[in-house]
Amino acid sequence: DGGITQSPKYLFRKEGQNVTLSCEQNLNHDAMYWYRQDPGQGLRLIYYSQIVNDFQKGDIAEGYSVSREKKESFPLTVTSAQKNPTAFYLCASSTPQGLGTDTQYFGPGTRLTVL
Amino acid sequence: AQSVTQLDSHVSVSEGTPVLLRCNYSSSYSPSLFWYVQHPNKGLQLLLKYTSAATLVKGINGFEAEFKKSETSFHLTKPSAHMSDAAEYFCVVSDLRTGANNLFFGTGTRLTVIP
Repeated sequence: DGGITQSPKYLFRKEGQNVTLSCEQNLNHDAMYWYRQDPGQGLRLIYYSQIVNDFQKGDIAEGYSVSREKKESFPLTVTSAQKNPTAFYLCASSTPQGLGTDTQYFGPGTRLTVL
Repeated sequence: AQSVTQLDSHVSVSEGTPVLLRCNYSSSYSPSLFWYVQHPNKGLQLLLKYTSAATLVKGINGFEAEFKKSETSFHLTKPSAHMSDAAEYFCVVSDLRTGANNLFFGTGTRLTVIP
């Protein structure tokens, strides 16, 4: 089945630790995205990548880092510099069609809790 | 600048009655508009999208939305609610200028369906 997988589903971290969230897609999409979702809010863009070995900061990139070494994979590292990392993290991918019409397809999400 | 306003944070309907979830948008350019649904602790699933073709857009699970430029609205409707429709719904906008790299999400409407 084609789709986007995120692992783990739930993740617990102690303060001061870095943690990496996995996102893999087998849809052959060029573009991938990371969003953060907090209760009662819409999604906010952390980072996005349009092609391999290239990525751009989104609206709330501080305290996060990413890499895009393979087309299928776009891992997100939540660093100790992120002051409030407890949230639901969603990965998405799309095939750029231009003109703002792309559809993004979302993974099932990872819920990160900092203890 | 782009923005999305979902007019109701919570909507409650009885099973078998119509559903109306309201969305107003702001966009300086020709917008693309999307409705996504999110079930608890799950990723987002695309219900439907508008990209400057027919103004009445039909989606999955019997949902549809009408793009009204004069009212800057993109309300989501369904003739008869089912228990499985209970979820969070997000209205999303992108446009020619920002492309899919910058979707603007509403804050969501939680739909409750009463048996």
